[in-house]
Amino acid sequence: DQQVKQNSPSLSVQEGRISILNCDYTNSMFDYFLWYKKYPAEGPTFLISISSIKDKNEDGRFTVFLNKSAKHLSLHIVPSQPGDSAVYFCAAYQGAQKLVFGQGTRLTINP
Amino acid sequence: GAGVSQSPSNKVTEKGKDVELRCDPISGHTALYWYRQSLGQGLEFLIYFQGNSAPDKSGLPSDRFSAERTGGSVSTLTIQRTQQEDSAVYLCASSLEQFPDTQYFGPGTRLTVL
Repeated sequence: DQQVKQNSPSLSVQEGRISILNCDYTNSMFDYFLWYKKYPAEGPTFLISISSIKDKNEDGRFTVFLNKSAKHLSLHIVPSQPGDSAVYFCAAYQGAQKLVFGQGTRLTINP
Repeated sequence: GAGVSQSPSNKVTEKGKDVELRCDPISGHTALYWYRQSLGQGLEFLIYFQGNSAPDKSGLPSDRFSAERTGGSVSTLTIQRTQQEDSAVYLCASSLEQFPDTQYFGPGTRLTVL
């Protein structure tokens, strides 16, 4: 049972434009969400997080939006840069310790 | 300071052999986590340590999998009698405190079982 879903396995965006990565979840008990970025042969790197008491969190070019009623969150990257090309994972805390991850979305930024 | 390190980076083994994977967390991090990523899949939680104890082992796939942590630092994940379906990237993460602190990941160990 996939509790965190990233339905787009890949996304291609032109440099300078906005990248929007989507994530849906099924467990209404999730109350803290994170986005990780992963380059090949490296471990995931933390990008940005959001608590369920918020609907938006912004850090530089990265903004995460949370819609609790729709059980949906999204990561916006603007402007997109070539170095943003990576696999992006959405994750949610289940209980106090365990992160539940989505399958990932491969983002490619085209020059 | 140094990040989370894992060794070996790659391990190729024959079916039925035992393997041991090592994780060195960030110094001072009390929480340590093991995940694995099979081909084309997201990360799957295996086990969590707080200090040397493992309050949550719920993700271990079978009794062939075990893990320990000593001195509140280094952790070892052992897979006995490896099977081909054990082939995956095994990732370790650590965090300073429990939820909702950020988990910092190591580069992973790619395990291939022939």
